[in-house]
Amino acid sequence: DGGITQSPKYLFRKEGQNVTLSCEQNLNHDAMYWYRQDPGQGLRLIYYSQIVNDFQKGDIAEGYSVSREKKESFPLTVTSAQKNPTAFYLCASRPTGESYGYTFGSGTRLTVV
Amino acid sequence: AQKVTQAQTEISVVEKEDVTLDCVYETRDTTYYLFWYKQPPSGELVFLIRRNSFDEQNEISGRYSWNFQKSTSSFNFTITASQVVDSAVYFCALSVLGYSTLTFGKGTMLLVSP
Repeated sequence: DGGITQSPKYLFRKEGQNVTLSCEQNLNHDAMYWYRQDPGQGLRLIYYSQIVNDFQKGDIAEGYSVSREKKESFPLTVTSAQKNPTAFYLCASRPTGESYGYTFGSGTRLTVV
Repeated sequence: AQKVTQAQTEISVVEKEDVTLDCVYETRDTTYYLFWYKQPPSGELVFLIRRNSFDEQNEISGRYSWNFQKSTSSFNFTITASQVVDSAVYFCALSVLGYSTLTFGKGTMLLVSP
């Protein structure tokens, strides 16, 4: 079945460490997204990519980095510069040419210990 | 810029009550899409409905119904005869034709008690 796989489901990180969240899709979608969810804050856009080797900052990109070397993969690195990284992270994808048709992964819950 | 407002942070009802979740949106574009998603405690987003800006017909799907009114920029969601399994966070979202991203409201947490 086609879909988006986020791994791991739960992730613990020590303060000062970088950590990378995985997002893989087999839907042949061109566009991919990372959202962050905090209680009462809704989903806020971190980064998005509309094509391989290209990506744009979203509303809260500081302290995060991404890469898009393959169409299927859009990993998110939470760097030590991110002041409050504990949150729920959702990855999504969408076919090109549509303003709908979003598919979401099941999320990664990151906790800084 | 686009904006979605869900003024209700949390709603508590007793099973079998009807409940309406409000969503107000802002955009200057004439072609846009509105969405509702359900997020159960497990965390994944479950797609419920999409409506484009040219289709103001209300929609009913089982116990769910949606009321889209462009005149008030609202896209409200009603659950009839609520059930405990309806307990979740519900998000309203907006995307605009030609603009790649999806803008979410802050969500409404619905708690249905037996």
